[in-house]
Order: sequence, then C-alpha cells, then structure tokens
Amino acid sequence: DVKVTQSSRYLVKRTGEKVFLECVQDMDHENMFWYRQDPGLGLRLIYFSYDVKMKEKGDIPEGYSVSREKKERFSLILESASTNQTSMYLCASSFPGPGGETQYFGPGTRLLVL
Amino acid sequence: LAKTTQPISMDSYEGQEVNITCSHNNIATNDYITWYQQFPSQGPRFIIQGYKTKVTNEVASLFIPADRKSSTLSLPRVSLSDTAVYYCLVGSGAGSYQLTFGKGTKLSVIP
Repeated sequence: DVKVTQSSRYLVKRTGEKVFLECVQDMDHENMFWYRQDPGLGLRLIYFSYDVKMKEKGDIPEGYSVSREKKERFSLILESASTNQTSMYLCASSFPGPGGETQYFGPGTRLLVL
Repeated sequence: LAKTTQPISMDSYEGQEVNITCSHNNIATNDYITWYQQFPSQGPRFIIQGYKTKVTNEVASLFIPADRKSSTLSLPRVSLSDTAVYYCLVGSGAGSYQLTFGKGTKLSVIP
C-alpha cells in the first residue's frame, strides 16, 4: 500500500513564525502536491512538484514556498505565518496513468496560527 | 481543465442505493473521470475511475453516458460509514500533472 506521511497531525504557531510542514511518500512517485482545505472551499492546490528540485505554483501559492531536495520528501514552508493560514494542510503523491494522476493523500496537518 | 458541477449535499437512508451525478460539459477527448471519497479529518481516497460506459469495482459503480458530459457515481446499499464528501474530477495523463478538486458532495447517511 502507498503510504504518505505528514510530520504532524496538529500544530499551533504564532503569527510571524516560520513554519515547516513535511511530507514523505514511500512509493517512488514522481509527483507530489500540497493542498489546503477550508470549510466551504474544498481542496485548493498550493504547489506541486513533478521532479526533484522542480516546483510549480498551484491556485493559491501566495505566502507559501516549497522544497523538494529528495524524491520522497516535499516540504511546505510558511515564511511568516498569518492567521489566515489557519487551515488543514494535505499532502499527496501520485503516479500518472491514462486517466490522469491517481493521488494518494496523507492524513493531513491541522495548523492553527494565533 | 474541465470544470465539474456536483450537488452540494445529499441525504440517504441506510440500505438505499445512492446516485451522485457530476456534470462536466467541457470534458476533453483524452479526459477520464475520477471519484474520490473523504471522511472527516482524513485525506481524500481514490474510489473509481472511468472513460466511458460503465465501470464497477468492490466499492462503487460509475456510469458515463455516450456524450460524456456527465457521470454518475452509484453506491449500492449505503451504510452509516459511507457518510463522507465525494469529489468528482476530470483530467488526463496527457501532460497534465494537477487535478482540480471542486467542493464535492457531502453525503449524509441516516439510520
């Protein structure tokens, strides 16, 4: 079974702090994704990466950056956390198929910024 | 990326068959239709994927008419544990890395 793990299930940070969210997958997938999920808004894509050291902006990249130094690890960085970044953050990895990407998600990190 | 439209919510009694329809009028020739399920406090989970006609697995069936402008996820004899949000996605593997998740359909199963 594909396993996607995230470093924390719950995190509390203060405004202005630098926050690192880590994601690791064990299936040698090329592609990895970071989403945030907020009530009534569904999942929104922040960044994705299709190879080591490669990254692409998603729909809402402002206030975030990412790092992919190794294939299995994709980090999301909040340079200076703000209260509007309080959310559930979901990491996913995927492999391509004829039907597009089949994504496997981690359990999520619920971040509270005070 | 083709946009999808689904009902925001649905209610069903236990033991009934549930059909959730998704419309995707701008689906491209190479696009497939994929459904994910999400339980509270968990990430979405892949359920089923299809291109045309009918696909069935141990969890659900997916019906796609000839014009492919809509699709229907069918869950047979739902139980309380099927209460979740269901997302319909459209995409292809033709150089498309990202998928677009809409707001999904919140299914509530009532005892």
